[in-house]
Amino acid sequence: GQQLNQSPQSMFIQEGEDVSMNCTSSSIFNTWLWYKQDPGEGPVLLIALYKAGELTSNGRLTAQFGITRKDSFLNISASIPSDVGIYFCAGIGGATNKLIFGTGTLLAVQP
Amino acid sequence: DGGITQSPKYLFRKEGQNVTLSCEQNLNHDAMYWYRQDPGQGLRLIYYSQIVNDFQKGDIAEGYSVSREKKESFPLTVTSAQKNPTAFYLCASTIGRVYGTEAFFGQGTRLTVV
Repeated sequence: GQQLNQSPQSMFIQEGEDVSMNCTSSSIFNTWLWYKQDPGEGPVLLIALYKAGELTSNGRLTAQFGITRKDSFLNISASIPSDVGIYFCAGIGGATNKLIFGTGTLLAVQP
Repeated sequence: DGGITQSPKYLFRKEGQNVTLSCEQNLNHDAMYWYRQDPGQGLRLIYYSQIVNDFQKGDIAEGYSVSREKKESFPLTVTSAQKNPTAFYLCASTIGRVYGTEAFFGQGTRLTVV
């Protein structure tokens, strides 16, 4: 099935460190979305990006819509224990305008 | 408050039985989606619908069926033909426009076959 390439697959960091993850695709997307999922819950939208080159922040989170429209990254600054979870990117676009997800990045933060 | 609601949160099914998972949204969104998530895995698309009375198969549609008779509702039936139905199921909706759209998720339904 079609999925976005998301990396890294997992990260184990110390509290206070910065985190960076990215998604790439062979297709062009019109919208990039970043989600966080806690265990047993549905993903929660963190940041939405609508224009190539757009850089958007939400507190300690910053995400960018790549110029080529085929990639996006998410940065988390000064990580805290509650940042633990799985982070997913998602893209909307293509001929079918389907919502497609990345494979996820598992983030673990050690106090 | 607008949102997307899945029910039940936990569901147990005996082998050989069909079971239907509910997904309702009051966001006036055109498009709705069903995903399956296995432990430690990403989201795999089962079915999606971009308009009432129309839906398309996703990547893993075998053993599942859906209907979209109303804009607000997109129920998923897990049939006895699904060989490994135990999983976490997530429903999502979007406005459906190409630009300026966001997707929102329900809380999920955890289905266990006993």
